[in-house]
Amino acid sequence: DAGVIQSPRHEVTEMGQEVTLRCKPISGHNSLFWYRQTMMRGLELLIYFNNNVPIDDSGMPEDRFSAKMPNASFSTLKIQPSEPRDSAVYFCASSGQGVYGNTIYFGEGSWLTVV
Amino acid sequence: AQSVTQLDSQVPVFEEAPVELRCNYSSSVSVYLFWYVQYPNQGLQLLLKYLSGSTLVKGINGFEAEFNKSQTSFHLRKPSVHISDTAEYFCAVSEAEAGTALIFGKGTTLSVSS
Repeated sequence: DAGVIQSPRHEVTEMGQEVTLRCKPISGHNSLFWYRQTMMRGLELLIYFNNNVPIDDSGMPEDRFSAKMPNASFSTLKIQPSEPRDSAVYFCASSGQGVYGNTIYFGEGSWLTVV
Repeated sequence: AQSVTQLDSQVPVFEEAPVELRCNYSSSVSVYLFWYVQYPNQGLQLLLKYLSGSTLVKGINGFEAEFNKSQTSFHLRKPSVHISDTAEYFCAVSEAEAGTALIFGKGTTLSVSS
């Protein structure tokens, strides 16, 4: 079975450029999560969607970050403009039937470096 | 709001030794608890989870964890580790029956040497 698919796996971009990270959740899952991982802050929840609707975006660091889920099989996380402190691994994850104790499955991450 | 504290950032052990990775949580409501493992350059995968019932939970790769409500702990254990267990381990919590996402601890790096 296909897991959570993220693209790109690696991206190096210059400060000020727009970055778009993409995610395809596991088919049939109706909850989708974006996490950011850094050495200093660990794993932080940025935003999560349930049935394509954003439920909690309190972790989105600032207005430069935006996330969308136009349909059940696709989500994007956009950073505009990007800054060096945005360098991190961004994980997309999904789970079925809401978040009531269900296992959350992670993608392999998008490694972002902003220079 | 929930929070998770992993008490050790790094745990070095020798192969075939037992190991315990400690996790404490804070919450004013009932919680679900999870342990995930992350191998280098990979995403996270579930080791085990506690939702309800027996407080001793068995997971994959010989790991187990015990939920202790009075001590608000969910420590992960393995009686005999292998080199291949070297990885980052994350404890996570979510609010039970309320549809909240997982909140993760900072992680514990388990390094197994021969």
